[in-house]
Amino acid sequence: DSGVTQTPKHLITATGQRVTLRCSPRSGDLSVYWYQQSLDQGLQFLIQYYNGEERAKGNILERFSAQQFPDLHSELNLSSLELGDSALYFCASSGSVSYNSPLHFGNGTRLTVT
Amino acid sequence: QKEVEQDPGPLSVPEGAIVSLNCTYSNSAFQYFMWYRQYSRKGPELLMYTYSSGNKEDGRFTAQVDKSSKYISLFIRDSQPSDSATYLCAMREFSNAGGTSYGKLTFGQGTILTVHP
Repeated sequence: DSGVTQTPKHLITATGQRVTLRCSPRSGDLSVYWYQQSLDQGLQFLIQYYNGEERAKGNILERFSAQQFPDLHSELNLSSLELGDSALYFCASSGSVSYNSPLHFGNGTRLTVT
Repeated sequence: QKEVEQDPGPLSVPEGAIVSLNCTYSNSAFQYFMWYRQYSRKGPELLMYTYSSGNKEDGRFTAQVDKSSKYISLFIRDSQPSDSATYLCAMREFSNAGGTSYGKLTFGQGTILTVHP
């Protein structure tokens, strides 16, 4: 168990809808990362937060947004959903002690858009 | 061209075999290298990480980095059926902003490994 908790595990929704994915990082970790995994694209970096502030951004669509709250949990909001947004969404966290802190992943949220 | 290239396999080996998994990369700024294992319906699990050229060993696993060739490898000795999974290499550029943990990981496509009894 990595210590990173993601909810819900599965989500089925229709095109055009909005969903929120939640992540609780490992105890003590200040940095949270969001990744999207699809069969054809592999693991793609979306966005990183550190202690509530956005630190790095990847190929995140404008329809997607995220935030990290004072208690360090994070939420990824996906809106105007399209069929192509169906994927596994992973959250990862890392500590803040040094630049080479490895990432620890949760078990993901499987999103299906119908 | 992708920044990180990894042969997706699939790779099928008999139990007890030595497995070699490889990644190449094009970004010279990558300084920190990791290997993850991902079982079906699970998140990636960290196996090894290193930031220097050379070998790092942990039990049956050895990570090898050759920065001059931009090539990394993971060797699994005495492979077991429980090693059957997807193996992902991942890399990070060095970035040290005031000592904070920083920077995304760039992943390879992953290699699907099956170890059969």
